[in-house]
Amino acid sequence: TAGITQAPTSQILAAGRSMTLRCTQDMRHNAMYWYRQDLGLGLRLIHYSNTAGTTGKGEVPDGYSVSRANTDDFPLTLASAVPSQTSVYFCASSRTGGRTGELFFGEGSRLTVL
Amino acid sequence: GENVEQHPSTLSVQEGDSAVIKCTYSDSASNYFPWYKQELGKGPQLIIDIRSNVGEKKDQRIAVTLNKTAKHFSLHITETQPEDSAVYFCAGDRGTGTASKLTFGTGTRLQVTL
Repeated sequence: TAGITQAPTSQILAAGRSMTLRCTQDMRHNAMYWYRQDLGLGLRLIHYSNTAGTTGKGEVPDGYSVSRANTDDFPLTLASAVPSQTSVYFCASSRTGGRTGELFFGEGSRLTVL
Repeated sequence: GENVEQHPSTLSVQEGDSAVIKCTYSDSASNYFPWYKQELGKGPQLIIDIRSNVGEKKDQRIAVTLNKTAKHFSLHITETQPEDSAVYFCAGDRGTGTASKLTFGTGTRLQVTL
């Protein structure tokens, strides 16, 4: 089973350009997430989605938008990239209902904004 | 919101020795505390978790302890092996059952030397 698939693996982007990071899961999980990982700061939640059709803001949502048109896909868009958005981005998913449980992460998308 | 602090940031142990990583949290309502292991170039993967109704949980060479009064929890790895070398993240969550809003620590890079 593929689990979480992220694309692209890495990307160099000029400041001011837009970019969409793609995330697809095949586990039929209700919840999906986007985290950014920066050295010394750990993993910080950008946006999340409880279920298809709903999204919510995490700890660092500014400059990012998400959509959840269906269960499997959860793209992250940077409308006008800035150098501070240089990071490694991880998409994740989890089952919901009952109690918080395991997050399943993709392998990450490394984004460099110049 | 929740604040999770993790120490040390780096840890080097000899193969066969034990390793201990400690975390503290601020939100007394948090009741779910997972630990994730991240190998180079990969996404984080859950290795063990503990909920606030227990004080300790073991899984082979890995154990986690929780002290709710002091608001701290620790990861213990015994008989370390080279494949334990990775970055480890602790996290905390209220565990409401909707989408997880884990707050991660800043990570500990564990190096197991031969």
